[in-house]
Amino acid sequence: GENVEQHPSTLSVQEGDSAVIKCTYSDSASNYFPWYKQELGKRPQLIIDIRSNVGEKKDQRIAVTLNKTAKHFSLHITETQPEDSAVYFCAEDFNKFYFGSGTKLNVKP
Amino acid sequence: DVKVTQSSRYLVKRTGEKVFLECVQDMDHENMFWYRQDPGLGLRLIYFSYDVKMKEKGDIPEGYSVSREKKERFSLILESASTNQTSMYLCASSWGQGAIPLSSPLHFGNGTRLTVT
Repeated sequence: GENVEQHPSTLSVQEGDSAVIKCTYSDSASNYFPWYKQELGKRPQLIIDIRSNVGEKKDQRIAVTLNKTAKHFSLHITETQPEDSAVYFCAEDFNKFYFGSGTKLNVKP
Repeated sequence: DVKVTQSSRYLVKRTGEKVFLECVQDMDHENMFWYRQDPGLGLRLIYFSYDVKMKEKGDIPEGYSVSREKKERFSLILESASTNQTSMYLCASSWGQGAIPLSSPLHFGNGTRLTVT
């Protein structure tokens, strides 16, 4: 959606490297920022989320950071594995969910 | 685990037909959503509902309508299907707080790939 810009649209990394996907949003009232992973032919599934009162959240190899002043949030995947290959969507809520356009991550073995 | 079930995985319809896409969730969620997913455009919200018989327009409601007669079921209706409505349609549900359907994760169905010829 136009409220959320997501970059890059495609990302190719070597197995074991880190991957970073960034999103910017426009409305300062947004307070919830989830990330979804969609494998080929499957439904999007929540992998991590962050609320506006928190600056960073980590879950094993996945972390999300939020900069409210700059209105951007990022997904960080460390020690990437081939099974991380998928399309990743960021989202933010302001009255209704807006999604980014997606990042296709390819992890090369 | 939340289960969101969409009635059809693949659907082929002709231009001008009336099309019904059905979605059922089993977690007593207040909120339900319909998105369409197109390459390079991400997920775009068509309609959502935060209560039975309630509906709100999303970003691209033109050519669509919805029905929510029961809490667990949210139907998307294409009144007169057109080729530009060929897409993947995703239903989702989430826990809500009445008219403030915010800040809780969406649970998606498997999607319905609709082709209009």
